[in-house]
Amino acid sequence: EAQVTQNPRYLITVTGKKLTVTCSQNMNHEYMSWYRQDPGLGLRQIYYSMNVEVTDKGDVPEGYKVSRKEKRNFPLILESPSPNQTSLYFCASSYPPGQGADTQYFGPGTRLTVL
Amino acid sequence: GQNIDQPTEMTATEGAIVQINCTYQTSGFNGLFWYQQHAGEAPTFLSYNVLDGLEEKGRFSSFLSRSKGYSYLLLKELQMKDSASYLCAEMDSNYQLIWGAGTKLIIKP
Repeated sequence: EAQVTQNPRYLITVTGKKLTVTCSQNMNHEYMSWYRQDPGLGLRQIYYSMNVEVTDKGDVPEGYKVSRKEKRNFPLILESPSPNQTSLYFCASSYPPGQGADTQYFGPGTRLTVL
Repeated sequence: GQNIDQPTEMTATEGAIVQINCTYQTSGFNGLFWYQQHAGEAPTFLSYNVLDGLEEKGRFSSFLSRSKGYSYLLLKELQMKDSASYLCAEMDSNYQLIWGAGTKLIIKP
């Protein structure tokens, strides 16, 4: 089954404790992206990756890191989480934008609470 | 600017028709998407328009007018399961998606 998986689905942590949210897709997509979703603000892009070893900042990259060592995986790293990073996070993947197959497939989401 | 505007909330009756509007303001344009998102779940793709006109897909249709920076999603024969948020997103000149805040659609019996 074609899918995007994220782990963990729920996480409660404390300020400053490093954490990683994993994302994996089995559709051989080149393009992967991380979003956060907050009430009233819609989806905001954190980082995206056009292919292996190629990553770029989105609209709200501060406080986050990513890596793309393999095509299928795109982990999101919070080196020192703060309460304003409490949010719902989505990973998404697709074929390269602009090549006629632009549908993004989303993971199930990770609800993060930073105390 | 890169503002995507859509109504915050709409209410409609089961069996009726509802139109959700979306306006965008960008200097570059590479397509307009609509996604459906049920509460607590991931967004799922509904439609993609890059040329002017109406695209019909079963009960759902999407319209685009590039000159007006305007799109709408039309839902016919509403069912209770259509209660969800509907997200409008514009793909800009860099092929990045700019998302609206979403329209929460409430269906009443």
